[in-house]
Amino acid sequence: QVQLVQSGAEVKKPGSSVKVSCKASGGTITNYAISWVRQAPGQGLECLGGIIPMFGTTNYAQQFQGRVTITADESTNTAYLEMTSLRSDDTGVYYCATGVGYGSGAFGMDVWGQGTTVTVSS
Amino acid sequence: QAVVTQEPSLTVSPGGTVTLTCGSSAGPVTSSHYPYWFQQKPGQAPRTLIYDTSNTHSWTPSRFSGSLLGDKAALILSGAQPEDEAEYYCLVFYGGMIFGGGTKLTVL
Repeated sequence: QVQLVQSGAEVKKPGSSVKVSCKASGGTITNYAISWVRQAPGQGLECLGGIIPMFGTTNYAQQFQGRVTITADESTNTAYLEMTSLRSDDTGVYYCATGVGYGSGAFGMDVWGQGTTVTVSS
Repeated sequence: QAVVTQEPSLTVSPGGTVTLTCGSSAGPVTSSHYPYWFQQKPGQAPRTLIYDTSNTHSWTPSRFSGSLLGDKAALILSGAQPEDEAEYYCLVFYGGMIFGGGTKLTVL
C-alpha cells in the first residue's frame, strides 16, 4: 500500500514562490498519477492539477495555469508542486493524492498525503 | 467550467440511511466522469471512500456504497454511526477534476 509523506509547513511573502514535496513509499510513483489539491481555511477542496510520471504528462486547472508547475522525480519517488506569485488567498492546506491516471487529464485520488500548510502573509 | 453541486447539509439518525448526491451544471453525471467520494473530518486529510462510481477500498466501511441515481452520482450510508459525522465531497471529471462544494453530515 503506497503512502505519501509531504514536506513541512511554509510561511511566504506575497509575490514569492513555494515548492512542496510529496514522497511516496511502499510503491513507485511511476505507476500512478499524482494530483495536488488545496483547501483554504474553512473552505472546500480544489484541484490544482496532476501528473502521470510514466508519461510525463501534466494537466492543470485553468485558473492555475501559468502559476503552478507539477513535476515528479522518479529517482527519489517524489512529486513536487511549485506555485509562483503567491497571494494571501493562496493560504491553505495543500494535499497530494495518488491514484489511477485515466487519460485526458482525469486523475484518481485514492491515497492522500497528510497535507502541507502554506501561509502567505506580509 | 462545470459547477458540481452537493447538498450543503444533511442530518441522519443513528442507524438510519441517508443519500448524498452529486450533480453537474454540464449535464448528467455518468460513470465516464469517474465519480469519487471522500470523507473529511476536522483537522484531517480527506479519505477516499468510493472510486469510479461504486468501487470501495479495503478501508471503506461496508455501510457506505456508491451509485448513479438519475442524473447524479450518489453516496448511500446505511446504518449511520456517530463516527460518520463529517464533511463529504464528491469529485468528477469534466475536462479536469472538479470537486463538489461538500455536504456536512450530522448524525443526530
